[in-house]
Amino acid sequence: QVQLVESGGGVVQPGRSLRLSCAASGFIFRSYGMHWVRQAPGKGLEWVAVISYDGSDKYYADSVKGRFTISRDNSKHTLYLQMNSLRVEDTAVYYCAKGGSGVLDGMDVWGQGTTVTVSS
Amino acid sequence: SYELTQPPSVSVSPGQTARITCSGDALPKQYAHWYQQKPGQAPVLVIYKDSERPSGIPERFSGSSSGTTVTLTISGVQAADEADYYCHSADSSGTYLVFGGGTRLTVL
Repeated sequence: QVQLVESGGGVVQPGRSLRLSCAASGFIFRSYGMHWVRQAPGKGLEWVAVISYDGSDKYYADSVKGRFTISRDNSKHTLYLQMNSLRVEDTAVYYCAKGGSGVLDGMDVWGQGTTVTVSS
Repeated sequence: SYELTQPPSVSVSPGQTARITCSGDALPKQYAHWYQQKPGQAPVLVIYKDSERPSGIPERFSGSSSGTTVTLTISGVQAADEADYYCHSADSSGTYLVFGGGTRLTVL
């Protein structure tokens, strides 16, 4: 069945880096845009970044632009989020989500999330 | 940046109709999508492209659009519909995506 499984979360000090991964299965990964969305404790959803099906287009939220990089490896059916210069306010559950053929389509499949805690 | 505005909370009795609005300047140009999130769970897409319903979503969920406002309507609300609901769309350039602040639906 269609599935997304995130990994790579953990506890990290401010200013350090972390890379999240999202393994996809059950659909033609290379045909769909993919998103990262986060949710801080007790807060709402915040869109983080999106990448087009072929990796040619990438867009970011202002809060992470210049610090986070979204990428994908279609041969490995895997989405990544490289997070640098982490801040306390980056603490959240990070979800990967499957989009549509375009980057503006709805997100119809979500992973269960991986938790990132930034703390000294 | 760009913002979508939702009411923080909506309350209805079982069997009534709940309407949750989402306002944004670019909504006449961009589609909106709606998600349901229950505590401790990942979000679920309930409406896409303003008014389309994914397979497996009950018919009591519907969406509409008028000018700068989109509306999620839940007819015949059930206790199981109690959740947070988020709209999602993009700015006029289509390069900046955003979620609304979320609306907590309480079934009285």
